[in-house]
Amino acid sequence: AQTVTQSQPEMSVQEAETVTLSCTYDTSESNYYLFWYKQPPSRQMILVIRQEAYKQQNATENRFSVNFQKAAKSFSLKISDSQLGDTAMYFCAFMKMLGGSEKLVFGKGTKLTVNP
Amino acid sequence: DAGITQSPRHKVTETGTPVTLRCHQTENHRYMYWYRQDPGHGLRLIHYSYGVKDTDKGEVSDGYSVSRSKTEDFLLTLESATSSQTSVYFCAITDQYGYTFGSGTRLTVV
Repeated sequence: AQTVTQSQPEMSVQEAETVTLSCTYDTSESNYYLFWYKQPPSRQMILVIRQEAYKQQNATENRFSVNFQKAAKSFSLKISDSQLGDTAMYFCAFMKMLGGSEKLVFGKGTKLTVNP
Repeated sequence: DAGITQSPRHKVTETGTPVTLRCHQTENHRYMYWYRQDPGHGLRLIHYSYGVKDTDKGEVSDGYSVSRSKTEDFLLTLESATSSQTSVYFCAITDQYGYTFGSGTRLTVV
């Protein structure tokens, strides 16, 4: 069974600085998908970024980028130029394939606080 | 936007009473899911559906049942609510991009 581990329950960063959230996972699959979701106080689950395991290039979405190390089974999220609106819970998640009945396996989350 | 609506958004209920949460989607997605979110646990799968009247259990299905009589509606029922079922419940669908979640239902069992 796949597992996802987020080792940092809480983190804080100053506005405009850069922060990196860690995520490791365990799987025997060779192809899969990894996600970072953001959950602000509004409770909505918002997809931040997605990485396909077969792609060597790290995914980037504006200020958000990942460092995907397939051999190490590591998938960290870097937030550049942190903003107050980035304050949220961040969940790392794993999925074997898209479009089918595969479940999404979540880590326990990292609570990020951006300080002014 | 996957057009997912959950109702109610908040509910307080008493121990031992039945509760039904509703998930409604407007885009004819085949797969629908119910997750619960608890501090220190992330989100965990309760049940999922792969079509009308086709459902299966997730990792935390005890005490829950589901039904899907129409493609657009996926109901989660707590037959006899317990305090351990106090949680935030999310409905989700999948498509070629991944998962999309509803806005969640906060259920408090007192």
